[in-house]
Order: sequence, then C-alpha cells, then structure tokens
Amino acid sequence: DGGITQSPKYLFRKEGQNVTLSCEQNLNHDAMYWYRQDPGQGLRLIYYSQIVNDFQKGDIAEGYSVSREKKESFPLTVTSAQKNPTAFYLCASTLTGDIQYFGAGTRLSVL
Amino acid sequence: EDKVVQSPLSLVVHEGDTVTLNCSYEVTNFRSLLWYKQEKKAPTFLFMLTSSGIEKKSGRLSSILDKKELFSILNITATQTGDSAVYLCAVEALGHFGNEKLTFGTGTRLTIIP
Repeated sequence: DGGITQSPKYLFRKEGQNVTLSCEQNLNHDAMYWYRQDPGQGLRLIYYSQIVNDFQKGDIAEGYSVSREKKESFPLTVTSAQKNPTAFYLCASTLTGDIQYFGAGTRLSVL
Repeated sequence: EDKVVQSPLSLVVHEGDTVTLNCSYEVTNFRSLLWYKQEKKAPTFLFMLTSSGIEKKSGRLSSILDKKELFSILNITATQTGDSAVYLCAVEALGHFGNEKLTFGTGTRLTIIP
C-alpha cells in the first residue's frame, strides 16, 4: 500500500520532555513537510526537506527539530523548548511540481 | 509575507443547498492555488488551479481562479451531509531559494444539516 504513515496517532507529552513524531512515505517523494494545525487556524509550516540530509525552517520552527537521513523518513522532535505543543501535526510529501499528499496526522497533548 | 484568507469561517446550510466558499490571496511568485477537504484527519486534494477563468469540475464541486483579482471560489451544488468538512485553500508560491512553499488559509467549516 503506497502512502504516508504517521505514528503514533495520539501522543502525550510531560513537562520538559522531548517527543518524536514519525513520518514515513513509500511514494518515492523527494520533498517532505511538517505542519501544525491549531483550532481556528490554518496549517502552518514547521520544517521542510527537499532532499536527503537537507532541511529548512518553516514559519514556526522554534522548539522543533527534524532530520532527513533517509528519503522515506522525516521525523519531527517536539522539544521541551516548545511551550505550547498541543496541536494536530500533519506530515506531507510531494514529487517536485506535484501536489502535496498528507498523512493521517498525530494529535499531541500535554499531560 | 504571503497571506491566504478564506471566508466565511463557518457556514451551516440545509441539505440540497448550494454553497460558495471564498479564498483570496496575496503572495509573491504565485504558482498555483489548491483546494483540500479535511474531514477528521488528513486533508484530501480537490483541485489545483493555475490559470484564470478555467473552471475545474468534479461531480457537484467546481472551482475557478481569478488571477487578476487574486481570488478563487469553490462551489458545491446539491449539498449532502457527506460534504460536511473543513475546506482548506492553499497557495503555492516559489520561495527565496527556488523551493515551492504552500501557505494555507484558516479553512471554512461547512456543516450540512439533513
């Protein structure tokens, strides 16, 4: 089955804890993206990567980190520096010039 | 800074009604405008518009782009309860480093009452 897989679906973070959200795609897409969605707001870009071992900050990168060691994988770490991490996180990927396809999302809450 | 504004923010109509959702934008280096439907989780792609005045149609949904006035509309005719969702408008632009960047609007929450 081709697609974008995000895990886990639900995640809880304790104060001061780093948590990592997984995003894997088997579509052979070059570019991958992380977005954050808050109620009443549109999707906001956190980080994106156009090729392996390279990534750029989006509009709201503070408190987050990423890596792109493999083409298929683009994990997002929500660090303890992110003071308001509760949100719905969406991962997307695309072939250059094509539309973005989205994973099912991870809902992160703070305990 | 690139900006995408959708209106209305929410809309409640009866089944069978026709609705029009609006999206206006201000971006540098416009490439395309996209509409997505988001029910509970991942947004699903509806339309990509690149040229002015050419209507794209898929069943009861249609969309058109006006690049002079910088807006797009999404029409849904004969609405059904399954059309209830958040409709997201996004504009793709060429970024400073030659990359393609999507800017999303806040979405329009559409509720269809049986």
